[in-house]
Amino acid sequence: GAVVSQHPSRVICKSGTSVKIECRSLDFQATTMFWYRQFPKQSLMLMATSNEGSKATYEQGVEKDKFLINHASLTLSTLTVTSAHPEDSSFYICSASELGKARVTDTQYFGPGTRLTVL
Amino acid sequence: KNQVEQSPQSLIILEGKNCTLQCNYTVSPFSNLRWYKQDTGRGPVSLTIMTFSENTKSNGRYTATLDADTKQSSLHITASQLSDSASYICVVSEGDKLIFGTGTRLQVFP
Repeated sequence: GAVVSQHPSRVICKSGTSVKIECRSLDFQATTMFWYRQFPKQSLMLMATSNEGSKATYEQGVEKDKFLINHASLTLSTLTVTSAHPEDSSFYICSASELGKARVTDTQYFGPGTRLTVL
Repeated sequence: KNQVEQSPQSLIILEGKNCTLQCNYTVSPFSNLRWYKQDTGRGPVSLTIMTFSENTKSNGRYTATLDADTKQSSLHITASQLSDSASYICVVSEGDKLIFGTGTRLQVFP
């Protein structure tokens, strides 16, 4: 089955530093990748949609200069949290849609998530 | 107001018992409705996916139903196991976006 990996699984950083999270589709090509944020006991909230080779589309209220997304290849997307602050501490999850499918929501495979803690 | 509402928020059952989780949605039109299982600290894993024309879909001990007229779905878990302890999320697709429910936290005790 389709597998999506994320790295790192857990990261702790100091306030003001930047953190990069990788999302990879391991056995399929993904034209579209999604980045979500999930706070404790809350639902997943879509942050942005990234398409390979083009700029990401951010959801309302998500700062594009703070959450930099790069989707350089069909198997890799990165999310960089710049100048992280404690309020950015959250669980970040990516998902990937398989190339060639009729609708991007038809197949969306989720990664295992990255727990970010900003001290 | 969330477009996908789930109930109950949390549920505790004994191992071996059955349970049913509910999902009401207002998303319209929608292309499909899916149920995910999310273990603590992990990403969601798909259990079932149903289009608006499907009424039921099974995956082992998990059976999902859909009533597109009343905009309700349910997930029935049969003969629960300790490993079923997780959050169960109802997700409705609206165009190219997924609308997530708030989830039901299920705990199965021995």
